[in-house]
Amino acid sequence: GAGVSQTPSNKVTEKGKYVELRCDPISGHTALYWYRQSLGQGPEFLIYFQGTGAADDSGLPNDRFFAVRPEGSVSTLKIQRTERGDSAVYLCASSLNLGVKQFFGPGTRLTVL
Amino acid sequence: GQQVMQIPQYQHVQEGEDFTTYCNSSTTLSNIQWYKQRPGGHPVFLIQLVKSGEVKKQKRLTFQFGEAKKNSSLHITATQTTDVGTYFCAGPQGGSEKLVFGKGTKLTVNP
Repeated sequence: GAGVSQTPSNKVTEKGKYVELRCDPISGHTALYWYRQSLGQGPEFLIYFQGTGAADDSGLPNDRFFAVRPEGSVSTLKIQRTERGDSAVYLCASSLNLGVKQFFGPGTRLTVL
Repeated sequence: GQQVMQIPQYQHVQEGEDFTTYCNSSTTLSNIQWYKQRPGGHPVFLIQLVKSGEVKKQKRLTFQFGEAKKNSSLHITATQTTDVGTYFCAGPQGGSEKLVFGKGTKLTVNP
């Protein structure tokens, strides 16, 4: 079956703009995770969902970041008033349940000019 | 908060040589996971270790979880060019399923 997909693969935006990043998890996976990865670093946790609810959003850097998963499947990461420091690869992962292996998507490379 | 440290940060080997990367957590882990990320790719799950002192093998890869469940290692025997990539360890923070990743060990293999 299909793996985790993310759109767009690349996003270039200007400072101050709003962006939405989409994640389609593997069908049937209840847990969905968002990470941010900068060059030379490991993935940095942002938020995870179990079903529709955000179970832990403690990794979101500030209130400009928000994520939703309204029907327990597709998730959208929303970033308001983007800053240059938001530039990174945003990775989404899903797992069948919590605490088991995560399947990562290809990521969205966000560049804020 | 919990920290996960990996050493070395970089490792360059000749094809056929062995390779080991080490992972240390500042807190006891309920489990540890290892991922591999090829250049330009995304992390791919390799294994999860749960039990104290656990050792698991996958072909030329041997994974070990320390007795205190605070450290882990990945050993590759007779490296091949297909082993090139960055190897990350990751552990859940506290009682959450929030995974904390190390910075990874970047392996390059000279053919």
